[in-house]
Amino acid sequence: QKEVEQDPGPLSVPEGAIVSLNCTYSNSAFQYFMWYRQYSRKGPELLMYTYSSGNKEDGRFTAQVDKSSKYISLFIRDSQPSDSATYLCATSNSNSGYALNFGKGTSLLVTP
Amino acid sequence: NAGVMQNPRHLVRRRGQEARLRCSPMKGHSHVYWYRQLPEEGLKFMVYLQKENIIDESGMPKERFSAEFPKEGPSILRIQQVVRGDSAAYFCASSPGTGQGEQFFGPGTRLTVL
Repeated sequence: QKEVEQDPGPLSVPEGAIVSLNCTYSNSAFQYFMWYRQYSRKGPELLMYTYSSGNKEDGRFTAQVDKSSKYISLFIRDSQPSDSATYLCATSNSNSGYALNFGKGTSLLVTP
Repeated sequence: NAGVMQNPRHLVRRRGQEARLRCSPMKGHSHVYWYRQLPEEGLKFMVYLQKENIIDESGMPKERFSAEFPKEGPSILRIQQVVRGDSAAYFCASSPGTGQGEQFFGPGTRLTVL
């Protein structure tokens, strides 16, 4: 079993829709949870960074972590065509030296 | 520009040659991580370095690959005697001195082995 699982999509939504992206993980020791956005042939861009369980909101983005079910979510409100990219979830913990464990990414397409 | 810098952005090597990838972390960051992204694969951790120290190299192939982060200058990922399977995008990330999970990535070096 991979440590971080993520549906690769592609996920296609109309402009203005609410997007829900999800990951599951297997190692209960993970403490830090991140979402990155990666445009084609570019480096990952950090969107959200959370520690332990709970919600975090930043503009149109909301990240949720449920450690009891080992489930991570990213919600994008009022989605825009410029949000079209691959979204990567990542986890880490202090015991691993903070090396990130990534899902394979979900490809999102927001159509005008 | 205070972001993570990587060069070259594209590198073409023939089988058996050496590849050297460079990474300059964000200003004020002393922790460097290298990741590899193979086609259709997720990002995989390779090595974690601080100045003059390799902290964790559990993701590095045992042969041909090495990394360093000298006291002065950029971090270097070196691949000796490259093979076609080394073709991938190599990303460097840096984090603040606290070493917590928030990492910022560079634009990557795309290595093609002919």
